[in-house]
Amino acid sequence: EGGLTQSPATLSVSPGERATLSCRASQNVGSNLAWYQQRPGQAPRLLIYGASTRATGIPARFSGSGSGTEFTLTISSLQSEDFAVYYCQQYNNWLTLTFGGGTKVDIK
Amino acid sequence: QVRLQESGPGLVEPSETLSLTCAVSGYSISSDYYWGWIRQPPGKGLEWIGSTHHSGNSYFNTSLKSRVTMSVDTSKNQFSLKLISVTAADTAVYYCARLSIPAGAFLDYWGQGTLVTVSS
Repeated sequence: EGGLTQSPATLSVSPGERATLSCRASQNVGSNLAWYQQRPGQAPRLLIYGASTRATGIPARFSGSGSGTEFTLTISSLQSEDFAVYYCQQYNNWLTLTFGGGTKVDIK
Repeated sequence: QVRLQESGPGLVEPSETLSLTCAVSGYSISSDYYWGWIRQPPGKGLEWIGSTHHSGNSYFNTSLKSRVTMSVDTSKNQFSLKLISVTAADTAVYYCARLSIPAGAFLDYWGQGTLVTVSS
């Protein structure tokens, strides 16, 4: 139920550039998808829920889109603090939550 | 501000029981939200373990269901995880978090995580 595949595994981007991360669901999850950021040594932080709604305090350079099985997280202009690992999570069936394998965004 | 803090032994012997507690502050655990546990083996991704509610309802990852129990202590505003018969594969950072149900089962507040190593 609800397997998630993230691509690419690693994305090398220069500061100030745009980053586009993909999350593909094995089944239709509607808009029940969230994105998290995890910096080294820290807990994950909620960025996006409902596929496209930014969580409280999240900068506008983060945006989410998609529905059904194809989702995208876009970071419009990468800042130094944005180099991290990003995970998607589906909650269409909230009795069984699943995460994607993650995309690491590192400095080019 | 909602805060969650995990506590428990950092080292557990193989075949023993892993027990962790998550203390919640700034919010009543008796609300309609669910509370969950997630783990992350060293250098790997996130794995949902299960979710629990003060009503007694709990839901678990099918791969761990036979070994997991969760409970809520409303008097102490905390919830707990027990994982029996642990092996080295259970070595991970364990996080507790709040599920933002009824809005959706995304995880809006997280604890800082605690590393549990399974080793003799």
